[in-house]
Amino acid sequence: DGGITQSPKYLFRKEGQNVTLSCEQNLNHDAMYWYRQDPGQGLRLIYYSQIVNDFQKGDIAEGYSVSREKKESFPLTVTSAQKNPTAFYLCASSIDSAEAFFGQGTRLTVV
Amino acid sequence: RKEVEQDPGPFNVPEGATVAFNCTYSNSASQSFFWYRQDCRKEPKLLMSVYSSGNEDGRFTAQLNRASQYISLLIRDSKLSDSATYLCVVNLYGGTSYGKLTFGQGTILTVHP
Repeated sequence: DGGITQSPKYLFRKEGQNVTLSCEQNLNHDAMYWYRQDPGQGLRLIYYSQIVNDFQKGDIAEGYSVSREKKESFPLTVTSAQKNPTAFYLCASSIDSAEAFFGQGTRLTVV
Repeated sequence: RKEVEQDPGPFNVPEGATVAFNCTYSNSASQSFFWYRQDCRKEPKLLMSVYSSGNEDGRFTAQLNRASQYISLLIRDSKLSDSATYLCVVNLYGGTSYGKLTFGQGTILTVHP
C-alpha cells in the first residue's frame, strides 16, 4: 500500500540526548514536511523540503535538524538544543501544490 | 501578524445546525488552499481543497476570496460525527518561501445531541 510511515509511534528521551524521528513515503512525492503540535495547538512548521538534497527552515527550526538524501526519506533530529521537545511530531508529503498526506505521528516525551 | 489565522472557537452547536468557519491569510502569493479535519490525538486528514470558484462536497461548502485573503468552510446539517478540529491550510508558492505549507491554529467544533 502507498503511504507515509513514521516511526516510532512513541519515543522517550532523556534530557540532553539527541533523537531521530523517521519519516518514509512511497508515494513518489517531491515535497516533505515536518510539523510539531503541542496540546490544544495547531501545527507549526519545523522544516520542509521540495527536492532531494534541499530543505528550508520553517517557523520553529531552532533545535532541530533534517536531511533529504533520498526522495523517500526525510528524518528529523531533535537535538539537545531544543529546550522543550515534548510534543506530537507529524510528517507529511505532497506533490507540488496539491494536498499533503500525513503519517500517524510520533509522540516524543522527555523524561 | 500570523500567516494563517483562524478563530479557535470552540464552537458548540446542536445536531442539524449550520456552522461556518473563516480563515485569513497574510501572503498574497499563496496559491493553494485546503481544509483539514483532525480528530483527537490523530493526524490531520484532508477534508476538501478550496478553489477560486468555490466548491461543495455534500454538506460541506468551501469558498475562497482572494481579494480579501480569506477562505471559509460551511457545514450544513451538522452531525455528531462532525465533532473535530478543523484546520485551514495555505500553500505558499512565491519568493523565498516556495512550497511552504502553513496551518492555522485550528477551530474546535463540538456537535451535541
